[in-house]
Amino acid sequence: AQSVTQPDIHITVSEGASLELRCNYSYGATPYLFWYVQSPGQGLQLLLKYFSGDTLVQGIKGFEAEFKRSQSSFNLRKPSVHWSDAAEYFCAVGTNTGNQFYFGTGTSLTVIP
Amino acid sequence: KAGVTQTPRYLIKTRGQQVTLSCSPISGHRSVSWYQQTPGQGLQFLFEYFSETQRNKGNFPGRFSGRQFSNSRSEMNVSTLELGDSALYLCATQIAGGPGDTQYFGPGTRLTVL
Repeated sequence: AQSVTQPDIHITVSEGASLELRCNYSYGATPYLFWYVQSPGQGLQLLLKYFSGDTLVQGIKGFEAEFKRSQSSFNLRKPSVHWSDAAEYFCAVGTNTGNQFYFGTGTSLTVIP
Repeated sequence: KAGVTQTPRYLIKTRGQQVTLSCSPISGHRSVSWYQQTPGQGLQFLFEYFSETQRNKGNFPGRFSGRQFSNSRSEMNVSTLELGDSALYLCATQIAGGPGDTQYFGPGTRLTVL
């Protein structure tokens, strides 16, 4: 069965520091992978997505993610975090069997000055 | 282009009541999916509608139902509310559906069951 694991429930980083949020997925075929961000009181906004091709994907707001098939991972990175990046981040996988997406439980990011 | 609209934004109900939530998709989007978001559980898929037909369904009891109208607006209904139904309900719309078709999310409806 398809599943997504985000091992870190909560992460705290200092402003200006680098960030890496982990995501592992379980899916038999090549997955469609997504990262979303959710600010308080808001819906989810797509940061980036991977379908095929280059395994390093660039997204909005300076985020990037790398697909590693051998590790079943799709970790999100940002070289320098800004206070406005404080939010909840969700990794998701989409499959070819039906229009259904599977989401991780999210990682809450706190940015300290 | 206007985004996904969900109404109402907040609801307070008591156990045993029923509730109806509405989602208006982005113009031209025909696929509407519903999710339940709770702390620690993330987003759980409820169902997806396309062209007024339920196309996919998650593992929720029959108390959760939905429908879609000819203008692609969708409603979801929860009958006989339970305390555990308290959650943020999100809808996401797509042009036609499929993993390659980006989902656009509304701001959600916060349901509190007392």
